[in-house]
Amino acid sequence: EADIYQTPRYLVIGTGKKITLECSQTMGHDKMYWYQQDPGMELHLIHYSYGVNSTEKGDLSSESTVSRIRTEHFPLTLESARPSHTSQYLCATQSTGPGETQYFGPGTRLLVL
Amino acid sequence: KQEVTQIPAALSVPEGENLVLNCSFTDSAIYNLQWFRQDPGKGLTSLLLIQSSQREQTSGRLNASLDKSSGRSTLYIAASQPGDSATYLCEGTSGSRLTFGEGTQLTVNP
Repeated sequence: EADIYQTPRYLVIGTGKKITLECSQTMGHDKMYWYQQDPGMELHLIHYSYGVNSTEKGDLSSESTVSRIRTEHFPLTLESARPSHTSQYLCATQSTGPGETQYFGPGTRLLVL
Repeated sequence: KQEVTQIPAALSVPEGENLVLNCSFTDSAIYNLQWFRQDPGKGLTSLLLIQSSQREQTSGRLNASLDKSSGRSTLYIAASQPGDSATYLCEGTSGSRLTFGEGTQLTVNP
């Protein structure tokens, strides 16, 4: 069973605040991803990492930043939250070897007022 | 750049019907293709993963196929049940990048 955790699960915050969404995994996977998904819409890749000290921007322009100091953690930070950042944020890992199955966390629902 | 398209966008069927969800992708160098299920307000659950060297995978009432030459994958659901109602997402991996389709919203009516 996949062990990937996201905190907080829900967050309501005011405009201009700095927030960090946490993602952690206990599977030792090198590849990790952050997706943004609006209700009823497709997933958009915003950041990904192939390992420690490796981070790349995804297909969707995002005002967020990420870091990968440890294999287990892949936090996403918004320096100044805006109402346009209201969305669901999904973190995922990807195994290596045959199949490279992806595992998803439960997501963080963010509401910026 | 990989593009993934799913048809139809929404599908409503009576309970017991067999149905097919379609997914097409543009990059034939796809490494693997995965089908996910997403329930409202929740994350994604992996259903089936097909590696590039495989043509299909089966799990219970689900069967997924992959045709790299035509850039298509299908998800077949046999004897559909109301509990199958969810959004089904197709995802293709090229290199180390994951690209998702927009999903098919399935409703199975009792």
